[in-house]
Amino acid sequence: DQQVKQNSPSLSVQEGRISILNCDYTNSMFDYFLWYKKYPAEGPTFLISISSIKDKNEDGRFTVFLNKSAKHLSLHIVPSQPGDSAVYFCAAGIGSARQLTFGSGTQLTVLP
Amino acid sequence: EAEVAQSPRYKITEKSQAVAFWCDPISGHATLYWYRQILGQGPELLVQFQDESVVDDSQLPKDRFSAERLKGVDSTLKIQPAELGDSAMYLCASSSPGASYNEQFFGPGTRLTVL
Repeated sequence: DQQVKQNSPSLSVQEGRISILNCDYTNSMFDYFLWYKKYPAEGPTFLISISSIKDKNEDGRFTVFLNKSAKHLSLHIVPSQPGDSAVYFCAAGIGSARQLTFGSGTQLTVLP
Repeated sequence: EAEVAQSPRYKITEKSQAVAFWCDPISGHATLYWYRQILGQGPELLVQFQDESVVDDSQLPKDRFSAERLKGVDSTLKIQPAELGDSAMYLCASSSPGASYNEQFFGPGTRLTVL
């Protein structure tokens, strides 16, 4: 049973436009969420996080939105750059357990 | 900048052989994780250490996998015997007790191919 789902395996976007990556979860106990970026032959790197008490967190070109009622979060990248081309993983955690549950990832390709 | 170190980066082995992976977490990070990532899927937790103690190894196939972190610093993950289905990326991650949202720092991984 996948508790964190990324239903789009891939996404292509033109350079300069907005990239929107989506993530759905089923466990209402999750109280924080993270996005990771992964380049080939490298480990995932942390990008941005959000607590369940917030509905938006912004860091430069990256913004994460959380809709708790829909159990849905999204990552917006504006403007998209070719260097953003990577696999993006959504992850969720429950504070006391100090564990993360990952989605299956979305391959973002930003076309020049 | 501090990084999680893993070795080897690539390992090719034959079925039924033994393999071992090593991880050195970021200094001061008490929590260490081993994940397995199959192509097209997200990382799946195999084992979690807090210092030298195992916190969770419920997803570790204990008939063939073992993990240790004897001095609470670096860690070794072993597979014996390796099976074809073990081909995957093995990732090590660590986190600091003070991390607000359990931000985990990952190493570059070990790509295992079992022939």
